[in-house]
Amino acid sequence: GAVVSQHPSWVICKSGTSVKIECRSLDFQATTMFWYRQFPKQSLMLMATSNEGSKATYEQGVEKDKFLINHASLTLSTLTVTSAHPEDSSFYICSAREQNSEQYFGPGTRLTVT
Amino acid sequence: QKEVEQNSGPLSVPEGAIASLNCTYSDRVSQSFFWYRQYSGKSPELIMSIYSNGDKEDGRFTAQLNKASQYVSLLIRDSQPSDSATYLCAVTNTGGFKTIFGAGTRLFVKA
Repeated sequence: GAVVSQHPSWVICKSGTSVKIECRSLDFQATTMFWYRQFPKQSLMLMATSNEGSKATYEQGVEKDKFLINHASLTLSTLTVTSAHPEDSSFYICSAREQNSEQYFGPGTRLTVT
Repeated sequence: QKEVEQNSGPLSVPEGAIASLNCTYSDRVSQSFFWYRQYSGKSPELIMSIYSNGDKEDGRFTAQLNKASQYVSLLIRDSQPSDSATYLCAVTNTGGFKTIFGAGTRLFVKA
């Protein structure tokens, strides 16, 4: 299957700082990338959908000014958590897909805000 | 009504048995259906996709789709303890723009 990478796999940051997470599709061109968040023992929560070259579409309740998403190329999307707080600590997972194809997930990034 | 519904479980089966996981969806014109497996602390992994009515087999896994009943299932034959995970059902809407995930069913295979 298609390969999606994420970097970093885990990060610890101090409250008030910003953290950038990268998502790359390694062997296909991702027309659409998705960002999810998952708290322990809870289901995936879609945060936003991004198409290459367009502004991301955020789900209801997700602050677009806090979670900045950039999808500058067909193989790279970034999520920046700005002014992170302890309640932002979570497992952030990206996924990517080609046109009308299956979604493939990255390995996830575990964020801890102290 | 949730767009994609799954029983949260846990579903517990003995090793070697058949595990049956079920999913219903509300959008009658959904086109694509997927099953993902997620181990604790890991991201989801695609295990099956199905697009037309009937059965699709891949090794020990069989996906079944019934569009008239808006129902998709996953059968795991000869269940192994390593199959213990959360299984997510996902449905893509018309045009393929959005994929909706169910909350997942936790499967526990007892050795």
